[in-house]
Amino acid sequence: TQLLEQSPQFLSIQEGENLTVYCNSSSVFSSLQWYRQEPGEGPVLLVTVVTGGEVKKLKRLTFQFGDARKDSSLHITAAQPGDTGLYLCAGGSQGNLIFGKGTKLSVKP
Amino acid sequence: DTAVSQTPKYLVTQMGNDKSIKCEQNLGHDTMYWYKQDSKKFLKIMFSYNNKELIINETVPNRFSPKSPDKAHLNLHINSLELGDSAVYFCASSQGTRSGNIQYFGAGTRLSVL
Repeated sequence: TQLLEQSPQFLSIQEGENLTVYCNSSSVFSSLQWYRQEPGEGPVLLVTVVTGGEVKKLKRLTFQFGDARKDSSLHITAAQPGDTGLYLCAGGSQGNLIFGKGTKLSVKP
Repeated sequence: DTAVSQTPKYLVTQMGNDKSIKCEQNLGHDTMYWYKQDSKKFLKIMFSYNNKELIINETVPNRFSPKSPDKAHLNLHINSLELGDSAVYFCASSQGTRSGNIQYFGAGTRLSVL
């Protein structure tokens, strides 16, 4: 069974701090996606990475796919209260998406 | 216009009842999904349909029966509801079945079985 482990599970920080969320697996994935989910809403895609070692930037968010395509990280620079939410990584395999259990981020003003 | 819409948003019902959740997408996608998110926020695929045909069925009890009357709709019927069915159910859609394709999610249906 393919599993994605996310860490940390919870993260509470002050506005302006930097943070990194990790997504790890023992399995290789054809692609890795990061979603953000706000309360009462469905997940919204932030980025898809498909190549080992790939780095993508989305404003203050930097996403990296591991060289072996088994892990990924999300780094947020100078976090803002608007970044608060549940961050989910999802690995693509055989037409299916396997989700991690999420990291609940709270950014306090 | 909402891209993926689910109804109802909230559903409270008694154990043993039968209920349905409807999903519609106006994105012109050919693939639709149902996910279950438990109280710990773990999101797990239940079913996937491509062009009205079932392509993924992840060991879901046969009390759950999806139905796709056309490519834009994927409804979920649940028979004999149990306490453990309480969760948030999300519908999603994508163009194509590749796992790297963008999936668009509805806002969810919060099911509470009493």
